[in-house]
Amino acid sequence: NAGVTQTPKFQVLKTGQSMTLQCAQDMNHNSMYWYRQDPGMGLRLIYYSASEGTTDKGEVPNGYNVSRLNKREFSLRLESAAPSQTSVYFCASSAATGPNTEAFFGQGTRLTVV
Amino acid sequence: GENVEQHPSTLSVQEGDSAVIKCTYSDSASNYFPWYKQELGKRPQLIIDIRSNVGEKKDQRIAVTLNKTAKHFSLHITETQPEDSAVYFCAALIDRAGTALIFGKGTTLSVSS
Repeated sequence: NAGVTQTPKFQVLKTGQSMTLQCAQDMNHNSMYWYRQDPGMGLRLIYYSASEGTTDKGEVPNGYNVSRLNKREFSLRLESAAPSQTSVYFCASSAATGPNTEAFFGQGTRLTVV
Repeated sequence: GENVEQHPSTLSVQEGDSAVIKCTYSDSASNYFPWYKQELGKRPQLIIDIRSNVGEKKDQRIAVTLNKTAKHFSLHITETQPEDSAVYFCAALIDRAGTALIFGKGTTLSVSS
């Protein structure tokens, strides 16, 4: 059981370049999340999807777009990367209802924008 | 917007001592409060959680308490060990149109032997 899988694990971009971070989960979870983690700032929610076909802005959505491609996959796109987007990005998923509310995280993507 | 505040940001204890981390949340509709542990270079992992209909929950050396009236919850670790050294995050499930899981800024716990 793979859980939550993110690709790539590492990426270096030049300012202005675009890229898509991929995330897939195999736990049949309804909710999926994208977070960024910066030193001293904790995990900040970028976007989330409560169910297939819906997406909502989180705490820091500017500069990002997302797509909930199907129930398994939730991608994060940087259209024009900026140095301020250098961070570790985590995808997570959760059943979000009933007793099984635990959020499971992917292994993270370390992104550097130069 | 909704937020979760966490204190302290760093905590140093001697092995065997207790550690307490406190969080407050802003959304009175929140009904689920997990705690995550993140070791260096790894992903966050759930260690304990509590729902709004429960005041306290224990799991061996860790416990969480919740005061819904005051909108705060705390993590208690007893008999700390060096392997408890990590960053701990509290979170609250904000139940608005969707289900947004909002995290505190984290507490770096160092346990010295």
